[in-house]
Amino acid sequence: QQQVKQSPQSLIVQKGGISIINCAYENTAFDYFPWYQQFPGKGPALLIAIRPDVSEKKEGRFTISFNKSAKQFSLHIMDSQPGDSATYFCAALGYTGNQFYFGTGTSLTVIP
Amino acid sequence: DTEVTQTPKHLVMGMTNKKSLKCEQHMGHRAMYWYKQKAKKPPELMFVYSYEKLSINESVPSRFSPECPNSSLLNLHLHALQPEDSALYLCASSQDYQNTGELFFGEGSRLTVL
Repeated sequence: QQQVKQSPQSLIVQKGGISIINCAYENTAFDYFPWYQQFPGKGPALLIAIRPDVSEKKEGRFTISFNKSAKQFSLHIMDSQPGDSATYFCAALGYTGNQFYFGTGTSLTVIP
Repeated sequence: DTEVTQTPKHLVMGMTNKKSLKCEQHMGHRAMYWYKQKAKKPPELMFVYSYEKLSINESVPSRFSPECPNSSLLNLHLHALQPEDSALYLCASSQDYQNTGELFFGEGSRLTVL
């Protein structure tokens, strides 16, 4: 059973546009929600993360919006650049530590 | 640059070969992980070592054998693999397993089984 559902599977955005990737979860024990960015041939790297005590976190052009009641969170990439073209994975982790549950991934292509 | 180092970056092996993947971290992390990743899929957890003891084995076939010689090193021994085992093998580490926080990944070892 997929613990974290991610959409869309792929996304094409014009340079300068906004990229939005959505994730949803069911387990209310999750309390840490990171986003990982992965370039071809590389390992995933932490991009930004949020805990459920805040509704939004912004780091540069990247923002996580978190809706605890709806059990949804999303990644917004403002002013998308071709260098942002990568696969993005959302994930969730419970307060007891335990293992990460990854979403299915979104392949983002930013066209010049 | 990643602080989790994996070698080799690429490995091609036959089904009868024995090879090993190596991982090293010097961040003082006490939890280390092996993940398997197929193309366009998320990483799948294989093994977790916590304080150098195997904590989780996600029903991985015995042809994969993990080893944690010390808190900085993690190996994955490979024997009699199948072509479907071809994948990117990722090592990761975190501060500890009960309070994982950020998971740091290496760049992976790309394995091809002929």
